[in-house]
Amino acid sequence: QVQLVQSGAEVKKPGASVKVSCKASGYTFTSYGISWVRQAPGQGLEWMGWISAYNGNTNYAQKLQGRVTMTTDTSTSTAYMELRSLRSDDTAVYYCARALTTPDYWGQGTLVTVSS
Amino acid sequence: QSALTQPRSVSGSPGQSVTISCTGTSSDVGGYNYVSWYQQHPGKAPKLMIYDVSKRPSGVPDRFSGSKSGNTASLTISGLQAEDEADYYCCSYAGSYTLVFGTGTKVTVL
Repeated sequence: QVQLVQSGAEVKKPGASVKVSCKASGYTFTSYGISWVRQAPGQGLEWMGWISAYNGNTNYAQKLQGRVTMTTDTSTSTAYMELRSLRSDDTAVYYCARALTTPDYWGQGTLVTVSS
Repeated sequence: QSALTQPRSVSGSPGQSVTISCTGTSSDVGGYNYVSWYQQHPGKAPKLMIYDVSKRPSGVPDRFSGSKSGNTASLTISGLQAEDEADYYCCSYAGSYTLVFGTGTKVTVL
C-alpha cells in the first residue's frame, strides 16, 4: 500500500533552517511528483510547491521563492523540503503528498515550531 | 495566487444534505477539470474525497459527490452522518505546475 512517512517534529530559532523528509513506499517513486503543503495552527492548507521525482524539476509558490528548496533522492525514494530564514509565521504542520494535479496520498505531517 | 473562496461553515442534521461551494477564477477552477476535495479531522492529515471534479476514490462513500459550473465547484454530502463532521477543503490545479487550495469549510452535524 502507498505510504508517505515524514520525519519528526522540529523546534527552530528564527533565522535558522529546517529540512523535512518524506519517505515513499508502495509505488514507483519516479512515476509521481511530490507536493508540499503546510498548515499554520488553526488555519487552512497552503500549497508550497512541487517536485518531479522523475527529473527533479520544481515549482515553488511565489511567496516562498528564494527560501525553499525541494529535492529528491531516488535511491531511497525520499523527498526533502528545506525552508531557510525561518520566521515565527512559518510555524506550521508540513505535509508531503503524492502528485500535483490531485495530491492523493499524504504523509502524517511534521510540526515545525519557530520560537526564540 | 489567491485562495479559492469557501463558506466558513455549513451545518445540517443527520440524514440531511449539505453543499459546500468553492469559487475561483477562469485561471484555476474554471480552466481545468482538476478540482479535488479533502476531508480533514482535527489533528489528522487531509483525506482525498473527490478528484477530477466528480470522481470518487475507492472506499469513499457515494454520499459524497462533486460538480462544477463555470468558476465554482461544489461538494455535496447526502445523508449526513456524525462522522462527516470535519473541515473540508477544495483544491484546484492553476496551471504552470501550481496548485491552489480553498479557504476551508467546517461542517457541523447538528
